[in-house]
Amino acid sequence: GENVEQHPSTLSVQEGDSAVIKCTYSDSASNYFPWYKQELGKGPQLIIDIRSNVGEKKDQRIAVTLNKTAKHFSLHITETQPEDSAVYFCAAKGLQGQNFVFGPGTRLSVLP
Amino acid sequence: DTEVTQTPKHLVMGMTNKKSLKCEQHMGHRAMYWYKQKAKKPPELMFVYSYEKLSINESVPSRFSPECPNSSLLNLHLHALQPEDSALYLCASSQDLTSHHLYNEQFFGPGTRLTVL
Repeated sequence: GENVEQHPSTLSVQEGDSAVIKCTYSDSASNYFPWYKQELGKGPQLIIDIRSNVGEKKDQRIAVTLNKTAKHFSLHITETQPEDSAVYFCAAKGLQGQNFVFGPGTRLSVLP
Repeated sequence: DTEVTQTPKHLVMGMTNKKSLKCEQHMGHRAMYWYKQKAKKPPELMFVYSYEKLSINESVPSRFSPECPNSSLLNLHLHALQPEDSALYLCASSQDLTSHHLYNEQFFGPGTRLTVL
């Protein structure tokens, strides 16, 4: 089955700096890769996703890149703000599976 | 309306109690999910319903009993729980599970924080 690894587990950056979170997956058939942000006491919120036929996708300060050959994808947040502080989960979904496999999560702290 | 709602927000129950968690969505989604999330861990899938039929049961103990009364509602009935069942219970929905919708964005509710004493 699919296995998703995520690094780093914690990340602290200064406000205004960039943050990068990386994930690797094991199933080459996986074709959909969402990223979720979870704030304290709330449910996960989809912030961006990428499909296997695309190498990069950007939405304002957030971008995701996908390298299918290497089986890894990354979340990039530029000009970080304190409200970006949260736990971020990557996930992968394959053609055969009916559900996502989540990475273990990254706790991002943006220091003012 | 792109919201998944869950009630109650918090629930404290004893090991002999019977309680239910409720989830509702009005996005026309035909797949609904229950997840369990322990502190500092990712969500862990429990059940998946597709067109109001149970599609996946991830070997969840029978003290958890899901129910999908209609396409907008999902319940999780709880009975004789253990303290280790204390967690955040998340409901999610997506458009579909069939091959016509290969990319199924899942929308999560805010969760119910359950404490079992």
